[in-house]
Amino acid sequence: AQSVTQLDSQVPVFEEAPVELRCNYSSSVSVYLFWYVQYPNQGLQLLLKYLSGSTLVKGINGFEAEFNKSQTSFHLRKPSVHISDTAEYFCAVREVGQGGKLIFGQGTELSVKP
Amino acid sequence: DVKVTQSSRYLVKRTGEKVFLECVQDMDHENMFWYRQDPGLGLRLIYFSYDVKMKEKGDIPEGYSVSREKKERFSLILESASTNQTSMYLCASSRGLEPYEQYFGPGTRLTVT
Repeated sequence: AQSVTQLDSQVPVFEEAPVELRCNYSSSVSVYLFWYVQYPNQGLQLLLKYLSGSTLVKGINGFEAEFNKSQTSFHLRKPSVHISDTAEYFCAVREVGQGGKLIFGQGTELSVKP
Repeated sequence: DVKVTQSSRYLVKRTGEKVFLECVQDMDHENMFWYRQDPGLGLRLIYFSYDVKMKEKGDIPEGYSVSREKKERFSLILESASTNQTSMYLCASSRGLEPYEQYFGPGTRLTVT
């Protein structure tokens, strides 16, 4: 059965520093991968997605993620964070051809300090 | 601009009450989903629907039911609210085609006292 693990529940970082939020998944078939962001008191917003093709995916707000099939990972990165990036980030996976259900990770709370 | 709306942002109910949470999408999406979000547990799927009048159980359906009488509206019902159903409830919708990208509403924070 597919599952998603976000390896860090909280990531504190100083403004303008780089950040990496880690995500690993388990699945025996091809997958689609997503990162969502949730700002305080809001719903989830799609940050980026991997469907096929290039393993480096660029998203909104300067974020990017790299799909690594051999390591079953989809880590999210940003070279220089801003205070406004403070939010909770969710990794999600869906098996190709298995309908519309997403499996979410537990979430990583990114806290950017001045 | 795509939009998913939920009837209430905050709701306080008493134990034993019947609770209705409403979700409406304006994107003509076939699929709709209800999740609950709890700290440290991420999002867990309660129920989903692939079409009008169709529903399927998610991972945690106990204590909940749903209704989808129209394509744009998906209701979550707590038949007899309990304190362990205090949570954030998120509705989402997606097209009925790959890759089924989901769009989320703002959430309803339900407190059961």
